[in-house]
Amino acid sequence: GESVGLHLPTLSVQEGDNSIINCAYSNSASDYFIWYKQESGKGPQFIIDIRSNMDKRQGQRVTVLLNKTVKHLSLQIAATQPGDSAVYFCAETRLGFQKLVFGTGTRLLVSP
Amino acid sequence: GAGVSQSPSNKVTEKGKDVELRCDPISGHTALYWYRQSLGQGLEFLIYFQGNSAPDKSGLPSDRFSAERTGGSVSTLTIQRTQQEDSAVYLCASSGRGARGIYEQYFGPGTRLTVT
Repeated sequence: GESVGLHLPTLSVQEGDNSIINCAYSNSASDYFIWYKQESGKGPQFIIDIRSNMDKRQGQRVTVLLNKTVKHLSLQIAATQPGDSAVYFCAETRLGFQKLVFGTGTRLLVSP
Repeated sequence: GAGVSQSPSNKVTEKGKDVELRCDPISGHTALYWYRQSLGQGLEFLIYFQGNSAPDKSGLPSDRFSAERTGGSVSTLTIQRTQQEDSAVYLCASSGRGARGIYEQYFGPGTRLTVT
């Protein structure tokens, strides 16, 4: 079936570095993508979203890039902080559909 | 206001017993979702409620799983005759307000179910 996957299960960075978390999606019909952050013992929390009519969207210290040609999504975190340590999930859907398909997740470890 | 709450936070049960997991969504949210998260895995969609429409049960793994949503608010996920493979964190989410509407799902902290 359709799935969303991630290339790197664990990413370790130093505080202050920029982090890049990648995600591949397989459903070419997906037109809306979301990144979630899940801290230990908590539910996922919305970070940033992007529609398929965009290839880049910026938030506070985060940027999401979408490459529809190769069906690839990435989350860039600038000046990574220890508080950014968490598991990051990408999710895809089609506007008008309510179900999200989540990827496996990437664990980001930030060392002081 | 209050976020999504779930109870219990942890549940240990014996194989073969039935369990009920509760979710209180954010007030006014019309959509409610249940997901299952196994250790080190992503979120597996189970069931989705939207307003008064028939729920989307396409993610329920077997007929031992069922869910209901009473009065368009509180939801209960029931697992009958639990099996060890049911051990996971069960997450509830709701959505319905804000600029992103139904697409911004607010998650509860989850219920960790352990079947011994």
